[in-house]
Amino acid sequence: QVQLVQSGAEVKKPGASVKVSCKASGYTFTAYYIYWVRQAPGQGLEWMGWINPNSGGTNYAQNFQGRVTMTRDTAISTAYMELSRLRSDDTAVYYCAREGEGATHPYNWFVPWGQGTLVTVSS
Amino acid sequence: DIVMTQSPDSLAVSLGERATINCKSSQSVLYSSNNKNYLAWYQQKPGQPPKLLIYWASTRESGVPDRFSGSGSGTDFTLTISSLQAEDVAVYSCQQYYNTPATFGQGTKLEIK
Repeated sequence: QVQLVQSGAEVKKPGASVKVSCKASGYTFTAYYIYWVRQAPGQGLEWMGWINPNSGGTNYAQNFQGRVTMTRDTAISTAYMELSRLRSDDTAVYYCAREGEGATHPYNWFVPWGQGTLVTVSS
Repeated sequence: DIVMTQSPDSLAVSLGERATINCKSSQSVLYSSNNKNYLAWYQQKPGQPPKLLIYWASTRESGVPDRFSGSGSGTDFTLTISSLQAEDVAVYSCQQYYNTPATFGQGTKLEIK
């Protein structure tokens, strides 16, 4: 079945960087865009951007421009999201998600989602 | 960015009763050329990622029980659970994909009365 499995929880100090991985299985990795969405404690979902696993092309939300980098390794069907210059308000669960079947990028819903990676930023 | 506003923030409904959650967008998400509303609904249980329930405002995702239905057009949408089950306790969120960036509602917490 189509599945996205993310790396484990991270604790980082302010100013550090974090890199979260998202391993895809059950489908052709290069055929579907991967999106990153985060959710701060008790808050709603926030779209961060996407990567085209085929070309490596990316698009980032304005809020994260200059701090986020999305990459992929097609050999191991894995996407990565690196966020730098971490602040306390970056504490959140970070999700990867695939564009929905039948949708037309970038106008799409998200399914499935990874299980989420909690990133805690604390001194 | 399109702002998505849900109401109410929380809701308590008795088992077997109907639950209704509303979502309003700051601009229309109806694309006139194909007459489709670019709106999805998700269910999120504690400690779990969001689960897609509905897309195109009213198309149920495969495997989603038919007690879940979506309606509305333009700027006003509704998610209805026709007969609430215990396993439906969750936070429900709407998402527009008419524009980039996609944006989500703040979520509605559904509980059992």
